[in-house]
Amino acid sequence: QLTQSPSSLSASVGDRVFITCRASQGVNRNLAWYQQKPGKAPNLLIYASSTLQGGVPSRFSGSGSGTDFTLTITDLHPEDSATYYCHHLNGYPRTFGQGTKVEI
Amino acid sequence: QLQLQQTGVALVRPAETLSLTCALSGGSLSGDDWSWIRQTPEKGLEWIGEISQRGGPYYTPSLSGRVTVVLDTRNSEFSLSLKSVTAADTGVYFCARGLRVEGVTPPRTGQLDVWGQGTIVTV
Repeated sequence: QLTQSPSSLSASVGDRVFITCRASQGVNRNLAWYQQKPGKAPNLLIYASSTLQGGVPSRFSGSGSGTDFTLTITDLHPEDSATYYCHHLNGYPRTFGQGTKVEI
Repeated sequence: QLQLQQTGVALVRPAETLSLTCALSGGSLSGDDWSWIRQTPEKGLEWIGEISQRGGPYYTPSLSGRVTVVLDTRNSEFSLSLKSVTAADTGVYFCARGLRVEGVTPPRTGQLDVWGQGTIVTV
């Protein structure tokens, strides 16, 4: 089970925001982060806890291992308004966090 | 460039079977994982199941017994069947590729990097 916090946040352009994801049992570094905008499929941002997917802006970063992970967005842009999900890939069944809605 | 195209019935009667297909273009089923995910207002994103040519299928426990995921290598597609549906199965269903690459650092261990367009299913 993955628990994200906060469930939503409001921030301003240029801010730095942190989203955390806690796993009920260790998942090593097998954690990914996705961004989803309304009416669209999720988009992979980060995998293996901290590796940026190709084409993703460098203002997105990830960290953590075991049970505690963080997605950081620095220099928040208006287009970062979205819902963010963590997702573990350490065995089966896979699960997603419940999501964090970021409003600008 | 791999693309996934979903097809299937969008309106399903209660107690009947939901059937969706995800067809590949610009790639093959070999080497990677193939997943189904759904999204509902109540549960958010829910991983349904996964299959690959190496193994599986694997299913989420809450749906195990009702769900079947099948690979069709001849037609380069994979499918989802969910039987005995109820209103709780209403949602948006996505197919996705879980990329697998070994010999790189870090290895790709099934991150969902290509998604279908989504199908709104109503029970």
